[in-house]
Parts: sequence; structure tokens; C-alpha cells
Amino acid sequence: KAGVTQTPRYLIKTRGQQVTLSCSPISGHRSVSWYQQTPGQGLQFLFEYFSETQRNKGNFPGRFSGRQFSNSRSEMNVSTLELGDSALYLCASSLGGGLNTEAFFGQGTRLTVV
Amino acid sequence: KNQVEQSPQSLIILEGKNCTLQCNYTVSPFSNLRWYKQDTGRGPVSLTIMTFSENTKSNGRYTATLDADTKQSSLHITASQLSDSASYICVVSAGNQFYFGTGTSLTVIP
Repeated sequence: KAGVTQTPRYLIKTRGQQVTLSCSPISGHRSVSWYQQTPGQGLQFLFEYFSETQRNKGNFPGRFSGRQFSNSRSEMNVSTLELGDSALYLCASSLGGGLNTEAFFGQGTRLTVV
Repeated sequence: KNQVEQSPQSLIILEGKNCTLQCNYTVSPFSNLRWYKQDTGRGPVSLTIMTFSENTKSNGRYTATLDADTKQSSLHITASQLSDSASYICVVSAGNQFYFGTGTSLTVIP
């Protein structure tokens, strides 16, 4: 059974650009959550999608957005990149989502903004 | 303010020894508490998940405890192995949010 796949694994962008990250969940999983991980802040919740709808959202500015497709694959977009957006972006999938459901993480996308 | 604090920040132990990691939280309303292990360069892997009514849960050499009254959890690792070297992250769910600790970095040396 394939795990959660995130692409690309590494990305370098310049300030002001935008970036799109992709996450393919485990087959059958309908919930995808996104997280930002930095050395100083640790893991922070960005948002969760379930059945193509954003169900939960963390405290990030509107430059961070996402969407989920009918096959449960999800994309995350960051516009007008800032140096502080450099981080490891992780996605996690689960069967039904919700706070009591087991979540499985991908390897992450390492974004560097220069 | 909803917070999750972990201690120690880092820990070095000898292979074969036991260790205990701590997680204190002020999050409410509490839904569940999870411990994750994250190897360098990889995504976190779930070790345990505990709800309000559970106070102990084991996963092999990993045993997590939860005291919902004092809002404290611990992760005990028995007979440590070199492969236990990783960051251990405590995550508390409340309302519709996840709250993450900044992790404990564990290094097991031969």
C-alpha cells in the first residue's frame, strides 16, 4: 500500500514568487491536512481538506491557500513568498479526518525562499 | 492560551538505557493527545494516540501516559536503541485544531 506522496521533495524560490506543492494521500483516504515545520516554531497546522472542502484552518495569512480534488489529491499554494516561508511543508492523510483519526504523514517538501 | 510544552528540549542517552519525555499542555477542550516520532528528513510517524479516558497506551518499547487532570503526558522509551534517535513530538487536539509541541530531540549513543 503506497504511502502519502509529496512532490516536489525540494524547491528553491525567490521572494515574491508563488509556489504550488502537491500531496497524494493514501488510497481511500479522504482527508488531507497541511503543516509547516520550522526549527523555531516546530509544526504548525495550516488547513485540512475533506471531500474537496476546507474543514479546518490554522492561523496563517491568506497567502497560504489550498484545494482538494475529487480524487482526494491536494495542492497547497503560497503566493508572494517571503523569506520566512522557508520551511518543511508536510501533508498528512487520514480516512475520515477529524481529530480522533490516525494521520499518516508524507516525507515533506523542503521549500527554500531566497 | 492553548499551548503544548515539551521537555527536555534535547536528550542524549546510552544505548540500552530507558528515558522519559514530558509533555504539558494547557489546551482545551481536550480531544486527544498523540506522540509522533520524526526521523531527520522524514515525516512524523504516529506512536500512540490517547483520548481523555485512556491513561496508558503502549506501542512496543514505547509507553505513553496521560493525566488529564494535571494535563500532563509522558513518553517512556525502554531499552533504547540507536534507531530511537529522532525528534519526538507531542500533539494535542482540541476543538477543531491541532496544537504541537516543539519536540524533544533524542540521541542514543553506543
